[in-house]
Amino acid sequence: GESVGLHLPTLSVQEGDNSIINCAYSNSASDYFIWYKQESGKGPQFIIDIRSNMDKRQGQRVTVLLNKTVKHLSLQIAATQPGDSAVYFCAEKEYGNKLVFGAGTILRVKS
Amino acid sequence: NAGVTQTPKFQVLKTGQSMTLQCAQDMNHEYMSWYRQDPGMGLRLIHYSVGAGITDQGEVPNGYNVSRSTTEDFPLRLLSAAPSQTSVYFCASSDLAGGVDTGELFFGEGSRLTVL
Repeated sequence: GESVGLHLPTLSVQEGDNSIINCAYSNSASDYFIWYKQESGKGPQFIIDIRSNMDKRQGQRVTVLLNKTVKHLSLQIAATQPGDSAVYFCAEKEYGNKLVFGAGTILRVKS
Repeated sequence: NAGVTQTPKFQVLKTGQSMTLQCAQDMNHEYMSWYRQDPGMGLRLIHYSVGAGITDQGEVPNGYNVSRSTTEDFPLRLLSAAPSQTSVYFCASSDLAGGVDTGELFFGEGSRLTVL
């Protein structure tokens, strides 16, 4: 598999529990945020996005929360499953500029 | 739809050799890009293109060339490989909105390159 997670923060959760993955972003002018999931040996895959005029957005089993005051983004995964094990990246974007990725967080789901 | 297809998946080069990483997408996306991913780091943008005939530099362009002769293809060329270019390379594409990439990227499976 990929070796990209050698020095990344790791979150270990029990199957069925909820997971919360946090991300601090750097650019106060960013107005669009995305969470990507990367499984071992694969490319990143879009999970959910949120624009800066929102503070919460829900998808299927996932919720993204945005706190612009402290430049913080979080991804909540409900009822975590073994298939959720992956590296999760947050990414920020200022209109007209390129997407900037964070370093990632490893999520390990224990059965 | 195959999505974004990258070849080769694995490649070993000697320092100074040249090679091309291929990328093709069948989603008619105008925006295509190349990233590299190194251990403990996020994805870093190498080059990107907003349409055929148009390319531009990203965050880490040195040592790489690109061209965009068709909407579908966006090859990445390493002219003289160096050990510092050992990495996993990802090609990604997306739609444009108002001439700007939407940020919702579709990634290929990656190409793992080792330079000895």
